[in-house]
Amino acid sequence: DTGVSQDPRHKITKRGQNVTFRCDPISEHNRLYWYRQTLGQGPEFLTYFQNEAQLEKSRLLSDRFSAERPKGSFSTLEIQRTEQGDSAMYLCASSLHGKPGPPLGAGFQETQYFGPGTRLLVL
Amino acid sequence: AQKITQTQPGMFVQEKEAVTLDCTYDTSDPSYGLFWYKQPSSGEMIFLIYQGSYDQQNATEGRYSLNFQKARKSANLVISASQLGDSAMYFCAMREGLTGFQKLVFGTGTRLLVSP
Repeated sequence: DTGVSQDPRHKITKRGQNVTFRCDPISEHNRLYWYRQTLGQGPEFLTYFQNEAQLEKSRLLSDRFSAERPKGSFSTLEIQRTEQGDSAMYLCASSLHGKPGPPLGAGFQETQYFGPGTRLLVL
Repeated sequence: AQKITQTQPGMFVQEKEAVTLDCTYDTSDPSYGLFWYKQPSSGEMIFLIYQGSYDQQNATEGRYSLNFQKARKSANLVISASQLGDSAMYFCAMREGLTGFQKLVFGTGTRLLVSP
């Protein structure tokens, strides 16, 4: 059973260039999340998908950012016209929504499992 | 308003000792979940333990236990018998609501250093 994978692990780019990151979730997971983590902070939510539908986007996600999950499996996060402030770790997570388990209110849990992240440095 | 507060930027513990990492949270939703993740220097967030707001007992997972005090809105992580490999950043996170949108809100983390 493989975990969440992300590619590339590191990316250095010049300001103004476009970059694209890929995330492959755990195979049976139907939800996929993108987070951004800057130095000294915890991860901050960017967006999430249930299957191929993008259901929520954070206000952090400017119009230079776009995410897709075309077939409900892997996802891509593209940043256009990168800025130095985009330098961060981009984390992907996945979860299985709707898994049978304890009744609601009795320990229902939907755990997000994270990938290794992509470290972006914009020069 | 900050929803997750981790007041300890760094903690030191000797190998084989127990350590408590603090986490307080703020929510008006009666249904929520609390998570702890470990982040080694490699960057990956590793899930450690979960506590649901309606869970009657404190969660335990091996050497990890969660000291859940609902009235105080605290969910402290206790690591027993610390190991050198426990040196990492530790993040507390909260998810409001039991169903539907599952965004996690994280604290700023605590860096734990385990010394021999």
